Amino acid sequence: QSVLTQPPSVSGAPGQRVTISCTGSSSNIGPGYDVHWYQQLPGTAPKLLIYGDSNRPSGVPDRFSGSKSGTSASLAITGLQAEDEADYYCQSYDSSLRDVFGTGTKVTVL
Amino acid sequence: QVQLQESGPGLVKPSETLSLTCTVSGGSISSSYWSWIRQPPGKGLEWIGYIYYSGSTDYNPSLKSRVTMSVDTSKNQFSLKLTSVTAADTAVYYCARRSVGYDSSGYYMYYFDYWGQGTLVTVSS
Repeated sequence: QSVLTQPPSVSGAPGQRVTISCTGSSSNIGPGYDVHWYQQLPGTAPKLLIYGDSNRPSGVPDRFSGSKSGTSASLAITGLQAEDEADYYCQSYDSSLRDVFGTGTKVTVL
Repeated sequence: QVQLQESGPGLVKPSETLSLTCTVSGGSISSSYWSWIRQPPGKGLEWIGYIYYSGSTDYNPSLKSRVTMSVDTSKNQFSLKLTSVTAADTAVYYCARRSVGYDSSGYYMYYFDYWGQGTLVTVSS
């Protein structure tokens, strides 16, 4: 069981904005512990989407944005597109468990 | 562009040892951390551990007693051994580069920026 909790699923119509939460604790999200996000398209390996809470690697559309407040983080997708239908995972570092992933969220485009 | 490729048996018998190798191309294995991550069918991601190019390691506490990682810098490869496997170890196994950076406050941050395509390992007799 992961120490980072995400909603199992979120959905939205094309063009809408959806957000995915990632809830942890002071031992894994918060000052000194950055959150990173990954997108996993069906049948493929995860891809780094956001690092350091809110930074996008080169090539990631600016429709994807990340934020963090307290011991929770969020990934927002604005202008939702059909190609965004995927599983999304948050990841951080835990003082006891080392690298940890969130439980994962399936995004469905209606 | 760094590329990673997993290789190894796709079928392992219960109680035996799972062995996988990850070959890194397009960059040197030196001066980086490298990880193994697995994903059981239909489930989420689980970090297994990492190895530094120097050979230092750290493992998921839940798997620590069964995991060994090693690195061969001459071949630009690193490897995973998982002993006493059961059906619960059936998963897609990914190798990935564990990058280290600094956030705006100067804290270290660790994230996985390059991944292999993954290899399915089934534990069954």
